[in-house]
Amino acid sequence: QAVVTQEPSLTVSPGGTVTLTCGSSTGPVTSGHYPYWFQQKPGQAPTTLIFDTNNRHSWTPARFSGSLFGGNFALHLSGAQPEDEADYYCMLSYSEIRVFGGGTKLTVL
Amino acid sequence: EVQLVESGGGLVEPGTSLTLSCAASGFSLKDFKAAWMAWVRQAPGKGLEWVGRIKSKSDGATTDYSTPVKGKFSIWRDDSKTRHYLQINNLRTDDTAIYFCVTEQWGWRGWGQGILVSV
Repeated sequence: QAVVTQEPSLTVSPGGTVTLTCGSSTGPVTSGHYPYWFQQKPGQAPTTLIFDTNNRHSWTPARFSGSLFGGNFALHLSGAQPEDEADYYCMLSYSEIRVFGGGTKLTVL
Repeated sequence: EVQLVESGGGLVEPGTSLTLSCAASGFSLKDFKAAWMAWVRQAPGKGLEWVGRIKSKSDGATTDYSTPVKGKFSIWRDDSKTRHYLQINNLRTDDTAIYFCVTEQWGWRGWGQGILVSV
């Protein structure tokens, strides 16, 4: 089974910009992996932020965006807010199998 | 609004089996029948793990499982009840987790609140 890698932790200042990345053990991440980003706050179920590389749901703040960048899948956060402090998980698809990354703990400080 | 509610969790003995249920609402029956439905688990203090999914009947109602759980987990669906199910056999302590049901349709639009299985 493929391994999906993420930074274990990142810190961003309020109002600042940060990029989270997601890599695949099988090679460059492409749109064919149908990449997703999820946000999870303590004690809550995850919510889906970004689907199919760069599509936001109606509830996803515009300050979040997804892209393919340097062979990785990226989540860009511009203008971080205190409420963005959370765990972020990417997920890639390998044929019919989905694989989550280990998650990035984002601190807004 | 899509709503998913899990049930059937709790404290169980090692070696036994357990069936979790996920009830969907906010779907039309037509939309539920078309939806691919999945299970994701999260061990205490750990990350998310996709464990498996059942496709719609029109896509053959086929199932796929992650490598670690293949042969141990079984997923099926009852479209008339807008429910899908996860059976876990031969439970072990490392199956202890919160189990979330989720729809893979419409950009993974809906997640359940999760249910704890403690082995």
